Amino acid sequence: DQQVKQNSPSLSVQEGRISILNCDYTNSMFDYFLWYKKYPAEGPTFLISISSIKDKNEDGRFTVFLNKSAKHLSLHIVPSQPGDSAVYFCAASAARQAGTALIFGKGTTLSVSS
Amino acid sequence: GAGVSQSPSNKVTEKGKDVELRCDPISGHTALYWYRQSLGQGLEFLIYFQGNSAPDKSGLPSDRFSAERTGGSVSTLTIQRTQQEDSAVYLCASSPTDYGYTFGSGTRLTVV
Repeated sequence: DQQVKQNSPSLSVQEGRISILNCDYTNSMFDYFLWYKKYPAEGPTFLISISSIKDKNEDGRFTVFLNKSAKHLSLHIVPSQPGDSAVYFCAASAARQAGTALIFGKGTTLSVSS
Repeated sequence: GAGVSQSPSNKVTEKGKDVELRCDPISGHTALYWYRQSLGQGLEFLIYFQGNSAPDKSGLPSDRFSAERTGGSVSTLTIQRTQQEDSAVYLCASSPTDYGYTFGSGTRLTVV
């Protein structure tokens, strides 16, 4: 059973608009969440993270929102740029469980058109 | 090197053969992880090494899969008697703690 779910396999957005990527999780022990970005033929690269003690973390054009009661997080990209076109993976970890590896979702492919 | 290095970048093998995939983590990173991404799937956790602790092998899909990490550095993932469903991109990552993964570019394995 998937513990981290990205229910939208793809998203298309026009340049300059907002991109919103969503992620749901089922394990209430998760308390640290990350977003990774992956270009073809490259490994995923870290984008932004959020701890469960926060509900928002912002880094430039990227903002992650966490709703613990709904077990939902989202990544907002504003304004979207063509170079943002990539696969975005949501990941989660339960820090209270020592030595726990990150659990990833299946990813959402973002396409930003100019 | 500056990043996580994986070799080979591509591997085509015949069904039933054994393969070895190599990962050179970032120097000083104590944690090392193997994931795989099958077509249309997310990143599936395989195995995790942390320092001198016993590895977490809970993600290995079958006993045909094994991994070792020698000297706390280089890791080798071995798949015995490969099957077509083993075809995937195998990704290695390392981190100084349990977070902040740096991934390699992966090994694309194709079993024919």
